[in-house]
Amino acid sequence: EAGVAQSPRYKIIEKRQSVAFWCNPISGHATLYWYQQILGQGPKLLIQFQNNGVVDDSQLPKDRFSAERLKGVDSTLKIQPAKLEDSAVYLCASSFTWGQGLMNTGELFFGEGSRLTVL
Amino acid sequence: LAKTTQPISMDSYEGQEVNITCSHNNIATNDYITWYQQFPSQGPRFIIQGYKTKVTNEVASLFIPADRKSSTLSLPRVSLSDTAVYYCLVGDMRGGNKLTFGTGTQLKVEL
Repeated sequence: EAGVAQSPRYKIIEKRQSVAFWCNPISGHATLYWYQQILGQGPKLLIQFQNNGVVDDSQLPKDRFSAERLKGVDSTLKIQPAKLEDSAVYLCASSFTWGQGLMNTGELFFGEGSRLTVL
Repeated sequence: LAKTTQPISMDSYEGQEVNITCSHNNIATNDYITWYQQFPSQGPRFIIQGYKTKVTNEVASLFIPADRKSSTLSLPRVSLSDTAVYYCLVGDMRGGNKLTFGTGTQLKVEL
């Protein structure tokens, strides 16, 4: 079974530039998440989609971050303009919605992440 | 969302049993307890989930007392490859699986 795919794996940009990350979730997963993980910290939820609707974006810095999930499948996370403090790993995860399917634990499946360095 | 507290780090040796305890005093009735494992340069990976009493799978056991204000992840006979960060998460799975990660417990296993 194919896992969550993310690209690019690594990106280095200068501050004030823009960057975009792409995520392809596991087929059939209705829920998609973007997390930001700063070195030494746990992942922080930025935005959660169910199908193509936003469930929670309370921690997304909307002045510079945007995300979309067109057609309820792939998703893109964009940062414009980037700041030094945006240096982090951006993790995409997907899951079945609770109650969807038998024996569903709501397990989140994570991709390998996209590491962003802002200089 | 229930706040969780777990030790920042733990050390162990190969072959030992490791127990990591997580405190979640304000857990709600509908909250489940889920543990994830994360290796460097990888995304977290689901280990185990439970609501009450004891849950066991092929890699770990989860012990939850009757008051559910804490939980203990038990890893039997750890090996070097179990060196990782372990996260305890508490949340209402019906709410769209919204889960908040804390800082986790860095487990270091040595020979």
